[in-house]
Amino acid sequence: KNEVEQSPQNLTAQEGEFITINCSYSVGISALHWLQQHPGGGIVSLFMLSSGKKKHGRLIATINIQEKHSSLHITASHPRDSAVYICAVRAYNNAGNMLTFGGGTRLMVKP
Amino acid sequence: DAGITQSPRHKVTETGTPVTLRCHQTENHRYMYWYRQDPGHGLRLIHYSYGVKDTDKGEVSDGYSVSRSKTEDFLLTLESATSSQTSVYFCAISEWRGVRNEQFFGPGTRLTVL
Repeated sequence: KNEVEQSPQNLTAQEGEFITINCSYSVGISALHWLQQHPGGGIVSLFMLSSGKKKHGRLIATINIQEKHSSLHITASHPRDSAVYICAVRAYNNAGNMLTFGGGTRLMVKP
Repeated sequence: DAGITQSPRHKVTETGTPVTLRCHQTENHRYMYWYRQDPGHGLRLIHYSYGVKDTDKGEVSDGYSVSRSKTEDFLLTLESATSSQTSVYFCAISEWRGVRNEQFFGPGTRLTVL
């Protein structure tokens, strides 16, 4: 079983819909990251969370440490949000500052 | 954008040939990483470095070696490339700054081993 599981693996939405991507993990963590990978391949960091909630524009990320679960929400989705969204966690006592990655959620937003 | 470049960006090579990928950063970050990304597997850590000449193995290190002789450069070498090493390779950097320790990714190198 992977340490980081994302759902769904694939998601198709209509423009304007509210989108939720989920991430569950099985280890104790010091931080959780949400990353975005566009069709061109580049990977950018969206959020780093250790508790609570963060918001940036139409993106909202939440984390529940007790339940080992995080969600990424996109409000008023747009075709330019089409990308792969990746959840990654940093485990406790991680001397190498390393991340463990989920398999990604491929999102397509149709106009 | 974090100053991370990878070279080459694309490479096609034959089985059994040596290949070296370069990651260069201008951020003076301590940590550098090499990942491979394959369909169905997500990003997997190959090797990482926590300082000049300080490196360690990751999840999928077999068949790969690394070197870091300068803070800014992290080299990944495939001593004898195999078809199973066809993949997209990403370099990343990070630094501890209190609670902020995001990873920044390079643009990736697409390697095809025939």
